Amino acid sequence: DVKVTQSSRYLVKRTGEKVFLECVQDMDHENMFWYRQDPGLGLRLIYFSYDVKMKEKGDIPEGYSVSREKKERFSLILESASTNQTSMYLCASSSWTSGGALAQETQYFGPGTRLLVL
Amino acid sequence: RKEVEQDPGPFNVPEGATVAFNCTYSNSASQSFFWYRQDCRKEPKLLMSVYSSGNEDGRFTAQLNRASQYISLLIRDSKLSDSATYLCVVNEGSGYSTLTFGKGTMLLVSP
Repeated sequence: DVKVTQSSRYLVKRTGEKVFLECVQDMDHENMFWYRQDPGLGLRLIYFSYDVKMKEKGDIPEGYSVSREKKERFSLILESASTNQTSMYLCASSSWTSGGALAQETQYFGPGTRLLVL
Repeated sequence: RKEVEQDPGPFNVPEGATVAFNCTYSNSASQSFFWYRQDCRKEPKLLMSVYSSGNEDGRFTAQLNRASQYISLLIRDSKLSDSATYLCVVNEGSGYSTLTFGKGTMLLVSP
């Protein structure tokens, strides 16, 4: 069974603090993703990575950075937390599997971290 | 900008009912399609992939209409345990691309 774990289920931080959210997957997946999910807005992609030390911006990267030093670990960093970063943060990982002529990608999600910034 | 639109919901149905969710996507180059299920306060999990010919998994049937850029999910004989939010998800290509998630449609099945 694929397992994606996140370092905290709930986190409370103060405005201006530096926040680290950690994600680890145990299936040797190449691809890892960070999303945030907010009511009425759905899941929005923050950053993703297709390889160690590689990162790509998603749809809403502002105010965030990431680190992927090892294949199994993908960290999301809030350099200076702000109240508008209060959200549910979801990490996901995936690997390409062949589906005939088309590669399919199934993303497996961690349980999420609910971050409250005061 | 890639967009995936879903019925707003919530859908309130009695046990045993048949319910259908619809989804449209904006990018005609999209290659693969999925339905994910998300229980309250839990993470999304893959329910089923959607294939061009349509596919069925027990009480769940997914259909794809590429010409209309439309995806559907049909749930027959609804169970209380089907109560969840259903997310329509699209991948625009088979290369290094990312998934675009719809905002989801909530289903509430009542006794």
